[in-house]
Amino acid sequence: GESVGLHLPTLSVQEGDNSIINCAYSNSASDYFIWYKQESGKGPQFIIDIRSNMDKRQGQRVTVLLNKTVKHLSLQIAATQPGDSAVYFCAETNGNNDMRFGAGTRLTVKP
Amino acid sequence: KAGVTQTPRYLIKTRGQQVTLSCSPISGHRSVSWYQQTPGQGLQFLFEYFSETQRNKGNFPGRFSGRQFSNSRSEMNVSTLELGDSALYLCASSLLVAGARDFGPGTRLTVL
Repeated sequence: GESVGLHLPTLSVQEGDNSIINCAYSNSASDYFIWYKQESGKGPQFIIDIRSNMDKRQGQRVTVLLNKTVKHLSLQIAATQPGDSAVYFCAETNGNNDMRFGAGTRLTVKP
Repeated sequence: KAGVTQTPRYLIKTRGQQVTLSCSPISGHRSVSWYQQTPGQGLQFLFEYFSETQRNKGNFPGRFSGRQFSNSRSEMNVSTLELGDSALYLCASSLLVAGARDFGPGTRLTVL
């Protein structure tokens, strides 16, 4: 029979704008979170991580925000570029490497 | 540094066959974890090995198995292949135990 694929949320932004990608996680015991970027035909690429004892962490052009109260994670990309077009996943783990991944968000950057 | 490598990159098998996939982690990384990625289920954790010991296992049937060698290279095996096993199988290695830091390019398995 026909398989039903995951319906990925999509986000389309103009080059140079800021992007915000959101993720809701499920396990209140999760203490480590990672954002990945996956381009077509490639494996996921680590972007940034955050531990549960923090609520914000910044990298180069990216910021991750963690709200443990509502179990929400967000990835902010500043000055989005065409090369940022990809699927972005959040992942959570409680330290035993049993990682759970979100469905992903497809980011499209329009030049 | 050399990244995580996976072989083969593409594989076509028929139902009932078995398959072995290989993963070579980044030098010095002792944790290797495996994931299955499909359009229907997304990315799902299969199992994780550290120093030749399976430390954690996801919710997959016993047809899925793996092992890790003393040089940290890892293999996963799927026996009695089913059509639903068609997927991209990803391997990741980490210096730390928790968190898959570096992924390989994956092995695309097609079961006919």
